[in-house]
Amino acid sequence: AQSVTQLDSQVPVFEEAPVELRCNYSSSVSVYLFWYVQYPNQGLQLLLKYLSGSTLVKSINGFEAEFNKSQTSFHLRKPSVHISDTAEYFCAVSDRRGATNKLIFGTGTLLAVQP
Amino acid sequence: DADVTQTPRNRITKTGKRIMLECSQTKGHDRMYWYRQDPGLGLRLIYYSFDVKDINKGEISDGYSVSRQAQAKFSLSLESAIPNQTALYFCATSDPTPGRVADTQYFGPGTRLTVL
Repeated sequence: AQSVTQLDSQVPVFEEAPVELRCNYSSSVSVYLFWYVQYPNQGLQLLLKYLSGSTLVKSINGFEAEFNKSQTSFHLRKPSVHISDTAEYFCAVSDRRGATNKLIFGTGTLLAVQP
Repeated sequence: DADVTQTPRNRITKTGKRIMLECSQTKGHDRMYWYRQDPGLGLRLIYYSFDVKDINKGEISDGYSVSRQAQAKFSLSLESAIPNQTALYFCATSDPTPGRVADTQYFGPGTRLTVL
């Protein structure tokens, strides 16, 4: 079974500051890794994902995440945040072996960007 | 128009009532999912379906049932609603395109259900 830990329930940050949202996972098998974002009053949207290859993956809006197998982590970073990045961010894993594509989500981190 | 729609968007009901939440998609995806979101708990999978004849329980299916009426429609029912089923419910879809090893899931806007 897999599990995902997002230790920070809320991360306040000032606009244009860097941010890191932490994600650690536990699994006895290889996994795929995802970050989803939920803007206020909306559903979840895929931000980025790691399937294979380069351990550093990037989104179109400046976020990046690095898969670290030894530390079982997939932290999300952005060098300079904007007010519009205020949202809840969910890390998720999926079992590589299975064909079900079931996602196991973390509890979410609310990124609150202040002017 | 949105690719994944959910109706109703908000619903208040009483304990013991039967409730149906509906999900429709225009993405042409075979796979559909129902999740519930609770503060501090993230999203948890209730049921998922790979096609009209293939329906599977997720991690928290007790107290829920589903119906896959067509490729595009997947409904979630609460047979006898109870207060701890108060939550935000999301429908999602994905497309198992050959060659893709992990498919992105596309979420609807959610249904906020309150059981009094």
